[in-house]
Amino acid sequence: DAKTTQPPSMDCAEGRAANLPCNHSTISGNEYVYWYRQIHSQGPQYIIHGLKNNETNEMASLIITEDRKSSTLILPHATLRDTAVYYCIVSLGRGAQKLVFGQGTRLTINP
Amino acid sequence: NAGVTQTPKFRVLKTGQSMTLLCAQDMNHEYMYWYRQDPGMGLRLIHYSVGEGTTAKGEVPDGYNVSRLKKQNFLLGLESAAPSQTSVYFCASRAWTSGTYEQYFGPGTRLTVT
Repeated sequence: DAKTTQPPSMDCAEGRAANLPCNHSTISGNEYVYWYRQIHSQGPQYIIHGLKNNETNEMASLIITEDRKSSTLILPHATLRDTAVYYCIVSLGRGAQKLVFGQGTRLTINP
Repeated sequence: NAGVTQTPKFRVLKTGQSMTLLCAQDMNHEYMYWYRQDPGMGLRLIHYSVGEGTTAKGEVPDGYNVSRLKKQNFLLGLESAAPSQTSVYFCASRAWTSGTYEQYFGPGTRLTVT
């Protein structure tokens, strides 16, 4: 599985868009980009995933560069409840899907 | 639906003791996983299962055994606990269905080995 690189921490003001970057320069053609988050010490929560195209759901948007070597998770209107550690993971879409969690980005939303 | 549940929530063991962690899911998922998370670190995969009666090693399998006798349950065993196994253990499950990508995680079991 490809490795990912994320900044260790970020801050964002409440109500603003939070943009979390991720580098995955060794991603292979059949690997997906997944984003999960972990609030406090709870179990991780799935946010969104993508292969080539940009994706949007009720939680966030995922922008993947054309060369697929990096991506950005966008939380459009961050709230205090979005304070969490965000993990960018690259993995196959089918099969066992063994997720490899790095250290993630600790996002703090400030009032 | 309860989703993914884990038993117990907390446990303290002495070095050399054994225990079993139980993960149960009511979503009829084929895939199940056990991860551990050490302080300040991301999750690491211990073992996983692609279906009833099958298990496979993950990234950090040493010192652990698993069993999947029933589709809804995935057990993680520590035969002789060591302080290095102090961690938070998370279970997850995922459906086999084509187009299903999300893993659902349980609330975790906090284990301390003294």
